[in-house]
Amino acid sequence: SQTIHQWPATLVQPVGSPLSLECTVEGTSNPNLYWYRQAAGRGLQLLFYSVGIGQISSEVPQNLSASRPQDRQFILSSKKLLLSDSGFYLCAWSNQVNSPLHFGNGTRLTVT
Amino acid sequence: DAKTTQPTSMDCAEGRAANLPCNHSTISGNEYVYWYRQIHSQGPQYIIHGLKNNETNEMASLIITEDRKSSTLILPHATLRDTAVYYCIVRAYIQGAQKLVFGQGTRLTINP
Repeated sequence: SQTIHQWPATLVQPVGSPLSLECTVEGTSNPNLYWYRQAAGRGLQLLFYSVGIGQISSEVPQNLSASRPQDRQFILSSKKLLLSDSGFYLCAWSNQVNSPLHFGNGTRLTVT
Repeated sequence: DAKTTQPTSMDCAEGRAANLPCNHSTISGNEYVYWYRQIHSQGPQYIIHGLKNNETNEMASLIITEDRKSSTLILPHATLRDTAVYYCIVRAYIQGAQKLVFGQGTRLTINP
């Protein structure tokens, strides 16, 4: 069966520090991969999606970037964190064909 | 993307059926209706989806009106663990990937 792993579960970082969140998927090949963010008390916002290695599409302009160095690995990064980057970051995957999204357990990032 | 409208919150007694409505009056003919839920501090969990026919799985039933402008998610015997935010989403495709736009959802509270 397919599984998705996100780490770390929680993270506290100072303003101006770099960020790297990692997500890996097991049990499937060539998945679509997604990064969502949920600010406190708000809905989920799609940040990035990827349909293949090295293919990244950004949904909203921001201080973050994403990369997909391997088929089942998706990384969310920032060179310098802002206070507004705080939130709950969720990785998700879906098959290339019509299928639901499956989410990881998320990373709760607090920028201080 | 078709927009969805859901009540902000609902209550239901444990053991009773929970019926969560959703309006999607601008839905296109090839757009699916998806339901997810998010338990506090966890990633969203896929529940069910449908196009025009009613659907049932081990978690819930989905009733879609004949004109497809609204739908109802039914949890037949609600338990305390069903307390969560429930999202009704109309899916769109972008370059082979799925773009799920999450609204505010319905906060369902199951009362003992």
